[in-house]
Amino acid sequence: AIQMTQSPSSLSASVGDRVTITCRASQGIRNDLGWYQQKPGKAPKLLIYAASSLQSGVPSRFSGSGSGTDFTLTISSLQPEDFATYYCLQDYNYPLTFGQGTKVEIK
Amino acid sequence: EVQLVESGGGLVKPGGSLRVSCAASGFTFSSHSMNWVRQAPGKGLEWVSFISSSSSYIYYADLVKGRFTISRDNAKNSLYLQMNSLRAEDTAVYYCARDFNGIITDWGQGTLVTVSS
Repeated sequence: AIQMTQSPSSLSASVGDRVTITCRASQGIRNDLGWYQQKPGKAPKLLIYAASSLQSGVPSRFSGSGSGTDFTLTISSLQPEDFATYYCLQDYNYPLTFGQGTKVEIK
Repeated sequence: EVQLVESGGGLVKPGGSLRVSCAASGFTFSSHSMNWVRQAPGKGLEWVSFISSSSSYIYYADLVKGRFTISRDNAKNSLYLQMNSLRAEDTAVYYCARDFNGIITDWGQGTLVTVSS
């Protein structure tokens, strides 16, 4: 199974900060990667698919990049509603595998 | 609007069985592959199983292979997960999730399965 290593596991940031989260795959996965946001007690929500495509309705402050083994999710200017946990997911092959998650907290 | 509503969760003893269901609406269910994803309390997301639109392709995570069975009824717009030989480590919220061109795009609200004596 492909391992997804996500970092950091948590971070503290202020409103307006630029935030970057990374995911590394244990083997090349082309651009078959998605990013999800999850708030406490809620289902995950798709933000980015195919590594860099913004899901409909998602604010443009979210962006994704990368290909092969290294991927990045960037929030250009953190908003109060962005405090949540973020996960990457490789959909290159089965079993699908998630990163461990990054909890974004208020500084 | 895509809606996925899970049901059937509850408390079950170790070694027991449970079937969770997902009722789908707002899209052509028979045209989409589906997944089950789970999340243990306070933990991350874990993919469990996949079924293609016509049930031709089915995959499982190693941890559940041989114990869980995914199925669907396209006439009823429903997805199922039969869970046997349940263990304490299977305790989790189980999410039904729609696949769109290989991407998990939509999620239900989840149903909690607790395995405890």
